[in-house]
Amino acid sequence: QKEVEQNSGPLSVPEGAIASLNCTYSDRGSQSFFWYRQYSGKSPELIMSIYSNGDKEDGRFTAQLNKASQYVSLLIRDSQPSDSATYLCAVKGAGSYQLTFGKGTKLSVIP
Amino acid sequence: DADVTQTPRNRITKTGKRIMLECSQTKGHDRMYWYRQDPGLGLRLIYYSFDVKDINKGEISDGYSVSRQAQAKFSLSLESAIPNQTALYFCATEGTEETQYFGPGTRLLVL
Repeated sequence: QKEVEQNSGPLSVPEGAIASLNCTYSDRGSQSFFWYRQYSGKSPELIMSIYSNGDKEDGRFTAQLNKASQYVSLLIRDSQPSDSATYLCAVKGAGSYQLTFGKGTKLSVIP
Repeated sequence: DADVTQTPRNRITKTGKRIMLECSQTKGHDRMYWYRQDPGLGLRLIYYSFDVKDINKGEISDGYSVSRQAQAKFSLSLESAIPNQTALYFCATEGTEETQYFGPGTRLLVL
């Protein structure tokens, strides 16, 4: 059974701070990694994807991948109240079309 | 207009009733997915389809069936609804870039 683990939170950070969200996965053969954001009552939307070890930056978001440690993280710099949402980590295995989602981490950015 | 639509958005039904949830997309994607989301359990894959002739079971297909009527339409049926199928159901499509695009969801309550 492929597993993706996230701290459920809630994670509370003050406005302007860095929010750090973490995810571990069990399938060592996983090749593709995604972070989705889901606002309350809404559908998930992709914010970052990462495929290689290291960092990938997109605006205020940075995804970090360490395949040896089976660990992927998302950093949100200069956090804003509008970043308050549940963040879902998702992992896809080699040659697979199925995403395995973590249960999500709820982030609250306090003004 | 939304690229991925789901009908109905909300549905209340009784135990034992047959119910169909419908999904349509205008993105031109071949891959389509049905997920359910439960509090504390995250998103779980029910069925997925790569084209009208290719249907695959996901993690939790028992009690569900699907039909891919066309590239743009993918329906999920509960043949005999039971209370533990109460959940939020999402349809998603995926293009060649591996991004999954989710519909707005159907909130189903089985009494």
